[in-house]
Amino acid sequence: QSALTQPRSVSGSPGQSVTISCTGSSSDVGGYNYVSWYQQHPGKAPKLIIYDVDKRPSGVPDRFSGSKSANTASLTISGLQVEDESDYYCCSYAGRSTRVFGGGTQLTVL
Amino acid sequence: QVQLQESGPGLVKPSETLSLICTVSGGSINGYYWSWIRQPPGKGLEWVAFIYYSGRTSYNPSLKSRLTISIDTSVNQFFLNVRSVTAADTAIYYCARHMDTPGNEAFDIWGPGTVVTVSS
Repeated sequence: QSALTQPRSVSGSPGQSVTISCTGSSSDVGGYNYVSWYQQHPGKAPKLIIYDVDKRPSGVPDRFSGSKSANTASLTISGLQVEDESDYYCCSYAGRSTRVFGGGTQLTVL
Repeated sequence: QVQLQESGPGLVKPSETLSLICTVSGGSINGYYWSWIRQPPGKGLEWVAFIYYSGRTSYNPSLKSRLTISIDTSVNQFFLNVRSVTAADTAIYYCARHMDTPGNEAFDIWGPGTVVTVSS
């Protein structure tokens, strides 16, 4: 069970859009519509922002959106705000009741 | 609303067993899946194990031989034991609730985490 692959870092300016990719295999991302995304600020617990590939929990702004194509899931943040600067992690169901996380992406809002 | 709180020893010696407790408050532990997730210093998240309120379990294959997850619904707590710990087990350990959706795959409520250091 290998960690999903995410870019180490991405950046954008306020108001712009950024996309974070999460690449796995047909055994995890590509095999199930069970990808979730988490935002983690320094020293804090992760917060769920996307589940089931493209669904937003109540209270999460619609600036956050998710999608998937083949073995790669993506998180897009539009209208970047300073408070979006954080670490982001993807997670996928990986079969046999297991889950696997991505390595994490640090988003910098310039 | 539902809140989770981890508790643990803070410091564990190499080769010993790490025991963690997650206390669920503001709601029932029944009807949900519950997981342990850890994060080594400066690194990413790693799913460790889950347990259903009925007792059904699943473990990270890379850790399975050293883990036991259990639950006590009468006191709204679930537990994790990690045997034969090494420095690689040093991490923040989070407990989390699985979202009540058909896939039960997302973690919608997290505890604040408890720091565990393995050192002699």
